[in-house]
Amino acid sequence: AQTVTQSQPEMSVQEAETVTLSCTYDTSENNYYLFWYKQPPSRQMILVIRQEAYKQQNATENRFSVNFQKAAKSFSLKISDSQLGDTAMYFCAFMKLNTGNQFYFGTGTSLTVIP
Amino acid sequence: ETGVTQTPRHLVMGMTNKKSLKCEQHLGHNAMYWYKQSAKKPLELMFVYNFKEQTENNSVPSRFSPECPNSSHLFLHLHTLQPEDSALYLCASSQGTGKNMNTEAFFGQGTRLTVV
Repeated sequence: AQTVTQSQPEMSVQEAETVTLSCTYDTSENNYYLFWYKQPPSRQMILVIRQEAYKQQNATENRFSVNFQKAAKSFSLKISDSQLGDTAMYFCAFMKLNTGNQFYFGTGTSLTVIP
Repeated sequence: ETGVTQTPRHLVMGMTNKKSLKCEQHLGHNAMYWYKQSAKKPLELMFVYNFKEQTENNSVPSRFSPECPNSSHLFLHLHTLQPEDSALYLCASSQGTGKNMNTEAFFGQGTRLTVV
């Protein structure tokens, strides 16, 4: 079974600073996808960034980047130049390939950006 | 707006009531999902439908009954629920299954369900 662990229930960061959210996962699979989703108070889950396990290069999306360490099964999210709109719950998710698109989520990290 | 719409946004029901949650996606996706989101717990996958066929039922009690009449619509029928079933119920869709069909899930805004 796949498990996803987010060890930081809550975090805060000053506006314009950088913050890193951690995520580890456990799997015996070799090919899979990893995602970070953002859930603001509006409850809409929005994809922030995705990473294919077969790619060594870390994914980046504007101010968001990941540090993907496949051997360590670690997938952290770095948010640069934090903005007030980044305040939200952040969920790390794992998806196996070829198995009906099952997504496994962590418990989430509540991030607050302080003005 | 993610292209996945859920109704109602809020629902309060008694333990003897019967109600249904509705999900509709306008993305041309072939896979749809129901998730339960409770405080301080991971999102729990409840049901998966691929091409209108149920491919996953994660030991969900029979008081939850899914229905997928077509690839664009997904329902969750509720009856004789318990207070511990109170949660946010999220619907999601994705491109589909199989090799090279691996995209992210797109979520609706959820239905906040309270069972009294």
